[in-house]
Order: sequence, then structure tokens, then C-alpha cells
Amino acid sequence: ETGVTQTPRHLVMGMTNKKSLKCEQHLGHNAMYWYKQSAKKPLELMFVYNFKEQTENNSVPSRFSPECPNSSHLFLHLHTLQPEDSALYLCASSHPVGTKNTGELFFGEGSRLTVL
Amino acid sequence: AQRVTQPEKLLSVFKGAPVELKCNYSYSGSPELFWYVQYSRQRLQLLLRHISRESIKGFTADLNKGETSFHLKKPFAQEEDSAMYYCALSGHNFNKFYFGSGTKLNVKP
Repeated sequence: ETGVTQTPRHLVMGMTNKKSLKCEQHLGHNAMYWYKQSAKKPLELMFVYNFKEQTENNSVPSRFSPECPNSSHLFLHLHTLQPEDSALYLCASSHPVGTKNTGELFFGEGSRLTVL
Repeated sequence: AQRVTQPEKLLSVFKGAPVELKCNYSYSGSPELFWYVQYSRQRLQLLLRHISRESIKGFTADLNKGETSFHLKKPFAQEEDSAMYYCALSGHNFNKFYFGSGTKLNVKP
């Protein structure tokens, strides 16, 4: 499948659970991003990866742990979350800095997370 | 600090009326500005970017550095323009993007 694919689309978890969100892209991009979208708030940048290396951590709590094993896949591991972490988590990809990057982000449909 | 402000959460206009979605920003350097759109049941996607000076689906946006604004305009709104619109900015390296909270445009028949 082309584009950016996120799984699962919906996730409900307790505060003591461990779960992971997955993002996959087959657009040939080497930059990948995690954003958090909460109700009535701007999209919040969480993490940025360029060529599998983390280049940005926007002061995200350690209960969110990203992993980028290759340029096509990005994970967000979740552990001991809080109810206020309930949100839509969006993955995006783009060409990396300094190449064919024109500033366009390609988004997935998001993973809707509910923490009980 | 960088910030993107979209003062209107909801904007309702009739079909054929002009529409302007407001965006103001603060940024320490010289930013690149974008508008993204999310139609119902679709993913967030790029609408236009100021560096291209393009008109997409009849929409234009002018960067006003004096007023630090990047308002999105269309002279005659269509029903299919109904969507969520997000203003975003980045530095010249496009490595980090900051988004506003979005404006929902509702075009009534």
C-alpha cells in the first residue's frame, strides 16, 4: 500500500499496560515524525527521525518511547500512560533535510488512543 | 518562541461568498508558511505553501511579514471547501513544523 499507514487505528489501554503504535510508509522518505493531536489544541510535534536517527525530542515524557528500525517504519512504544495522554497520534513522513524536501508532510490517518 | 495562532475555531459562510481564514505566527527567524487541509474522513494533506506562490483550488495566501500573518483566502467559496484548515510554519530546513489549532470552514448551500 502506498502512503503512510498507521496501526492500530483505535487502541484502548489501561495505565499499567504496554502497547505500541506502528507507522509504515513506502514513499521513499527518510524523515518520519510523531505528532499528538488533542481536542481543541494544536498538533504537537513529539519526535523527528532523519535516516533512522532521532533528531528531535520535543520534551516528551519517557513513558513515550519511539523506535525507528529503518526508514520505512516508525514505532511509538507506550508504557504507564496517563488518562491525559488520550489523543489522536499522527505519523508523518517527508523527504529529509537538504534533499528533495519541499516542506510537504505526508500524514497517516492516525491512531486514536484512549487511556483508562 | 514559535507559535501559530488561528483565532477562529469555526467559520461559516454561504456558497459563493468570499472566505478568509486567519493565521498569525511568531517565529524568531524567517519562516516558511503552509496551509494544510483535512476533508471529512480523509487524512491531513498539504493545500499550499507560500514559497510556491501558488493558487490551489482557488485558494491563495500571502505572507505579510510586517503583520506576521498568512491568511488563506478564496473569493467564492464552494460547498466542497468545507473542511478543517491548519496553518503551519517551519524553518528553512523544514525539519520541524508547528501547527495552529485549526479552523473549521463550513460552506452552506
